Amino acid sequence: GAGVSQSPRYKVAKRGQDVALRCDPISGHVSLFWYQQALGQGPEFLTYFQNEAQLDKSGLPSDRFFAERPEGSVSTLKIQRTQQEDSAVYLCASSPRSRAYEQYFGPGTRLTVT
Amino acid sequence: SQQGEEDPQALSIQEGENATMNCSYKTSINNLQWYRQNSGRGLVHLILIRSNEREKHSGRLRVTLDTSKKSSSLLITASRAADTASYFCATDAGNAGGTSYGKLTFGQGTILTVHP
Repeated sequence: GAGVSQSPRYKVAKRGQDVALRCDPISGHVSLFWYQQALGQGPEFLTYFQNEAQLDKSGLPSDRFFAERPEGSVSTLKIQRTQQEDSAVYLCASSPRSRAYEQYFGPGTRLTVT
Repeated sequence: SQQGEEDPQALSIQEGENATMNCSYKTSINNLQWYRQNSGRGLVHLILIRSNEREKHSGRLRVTLDTSKKSSSLLITASRAADTASYFCATDAGNAGGTSYGKLTFGQGTILTVHP
């Protein structure tokens, strides 16, 4: 079946621009996660949703980062006034309620801020 | 911030050889997972070991966990060129009450190259 999809796959933004990154999780998956992966590093947790509720946003690096999942399916990660240090791959993952420990990752969105 | 360290940072072997990667972490955990990442398929879950388990096998993969040393190892036997990828350990420490909901803390990864 279809896996987790993310769009766009690549995004170039000028410093100061706002960007919106989309994640389509696997249908029926309750849990959704966003991670940020800098070049040469492992992914770092940003935020977690259970259905439409954002239950953990402890990893969001600043108030310029905002995530939503209004209907409990598609999620959007928005970054306002992008900075060069925001350049990274943004990964989305989803998991079903019954096996919350196994996450299915999307291909990621590579964001480059110039 | 990263949970811990993986070593080696890079490993280069010949097809058919075994590859061993190690992971250390800092806090108590509910479970530890290993993931593989390559440009073709993104991050893929390989295996999970719970905090009360010491060893687990899945096909050519063998994972060990030593909670007293806060360390884990991943062994890939009879490696293949297709195993070339970055390998990450990830720990699930749960929330303040210890309940796991899937939040993962990843290591920095080991880059494995398997030469045909």
